[in-house]
Amino acid sequence: QVQLVESGGGLVKPGGSLRLSCAASGFTFSDYYMSWIRQAPGKGLEWVSYISSSGSTIYYADSVKGRFTISRDNAKNSLYLQMNSLRAEDTAVYYCVYGPLDYWGQGTLVTVSS
Amino acid sequence: QAGLTQPPSVSKGLRQTATLTCTGNSNNVGNQGAAWLQQHQGHPPKLLSYRNNNRPSGISERLSASRSGNTASLTITGLQPEDEADYYCSAWDSSLSARVFGGGTKLTVL
Repeated sequence: QVQLVESGGGLVKPGGSLRLSCAASGFTFSDYYMSWIRQAPGKGLEWVSYISSSGSTIYYADSVKGRFTISRDNAKNSLYLQMNSLRAEDTAVYYCVYGPLDYWGQGTLVTVSS
Repeated sequence: QAGLTQPPSVSKGLRQTATLTCTGNSNNVGNQGAAWLQQHQGHPPKLLSYRNNNRPSGISERLSASRSGNTASLTITGLQPEDEADYYCSAWDSSLSARVFGGGTKLTVL
């Protein structure tokens, strides 16, 4: 079965950096596009970034453009999100999502606070 | 990025029918159709329907989705206590090259 396991979240100060990882299994990772979607505490869902199956096409939400970088390693069945210049408003649970929203990981919490 | 519009809350009685709506524009819902997700408190979202009325395996036949113009709808018949949850719609916006979400509808089953 499809499994997506995020890691790398934690507490970071404003202006700091974090790198999230997502380990995928149960499907041919290299065949599917992937996304990061976040949810601030008590709030709705917000799309963050998209990467095509090969990694050649990438999109970002305006709110993270220039600060976040999505990448993938198809040999390792892994998805990444490098987050720099973090702000308080980036505080959220970050979900790794397979394809057209079919499967979601359990999420990893990122807290940006001094 | 502009999002989709959903009513914040809907309340219906047990075994009644609820219809949730999601309004976008011709670049998102009107073009690509909408996906619907259900989220129970403390859990990740679960896909209920994609591209208007394609249900993943295991999703109850009590749920059906449709679209008219720029508005998508999710209808849940025979409401059960476990249907009480937050429901989100989402679509890919071709002009923004971004996925957009609605703000979510909290469905209460009385």
